[in-house]
Amino acid sequence: AQKITQTQPGMFVQEKEAVTLDCTYDTSDQSYGLFWYKQPSSGEMIFLIYQGSYDEQNATEGRYSLNFQKARKSANLVISASQLGDSAMYFCAMREGGSGANSKLTFGKGITLSVRP
Amino acid sequence: ETGVTQSPTHLIKTRGQQVTLRCSSQSGHNTVSWYQQALGQGPQFIFQYYREEENGRGNFPPRFSGLQFPNYSSELNVNALELDDSALYLCASSRLTGTGVADTQYFGPGTRLTVL
Repeated sequence: AQKITQTQPGMFVQEKEAVTLDCTYDTSDQSYGLFWYKQPSSGEMIFLIYQGSYDEQNATEGRYSLNFQKARKSANLVISASQLGDSAMYFCAMREGGSGANSKLTFGKGITLSVRP
Repeated sequence: ETGVTQSPTHLIKTRGQQVTLRCSSQSGHNTVSWYQQALGQGPQFIFQYYREEENGRGNFPPRFSGLQFPNYSSELNVNALELDDSALYLCASSRLTGTGVADTQYFGPGTRLTVL
């Protein structure tokens, strides 16, 4: 089974509107972390937001928030007030295991977001 | 910018050759991870280095090898290049604390390798 699933086709959003990018995950670990990264056409992977499995509050970072539903194993990224510069690929990633484990990330296949003016 | 740098930016090699990619980690970070990203795919974990030793490896053959230096910079070496090795190679640095807790990984701009 895939550990990270991102199934949405290319997403389109109007500038200044909000958009939700879906991510579901699969793990048997109790301790894990979920990440979202943005990858513009230049290729660099830019960290956006992190949610720990034991965090009770949904993470927020500026215009980014993470809708974490642990029972459903979903970690959707919400981008509010979209900007033209938000057009990029977005990857959901998971780090499994608690302390002592190597911190490798498992990535989904990504979602392309296009912001329309 | 993250402070993670990679060199070179682009590289063209022929099948069978060997290549070395370099990564300088962000200040204060002691762990370097390498990922391979094929076109249209998410990055795949190659291996991770902590305190100059390999600390986890993905499903990659032994011809993918690495080093980490005392200043925490790192190299990825690939021998006997194959056409399928053509990809974007991403390096990420992070901090592993004394209690083994891993912080967020921050990525460099990547090296785009083309094998002809």
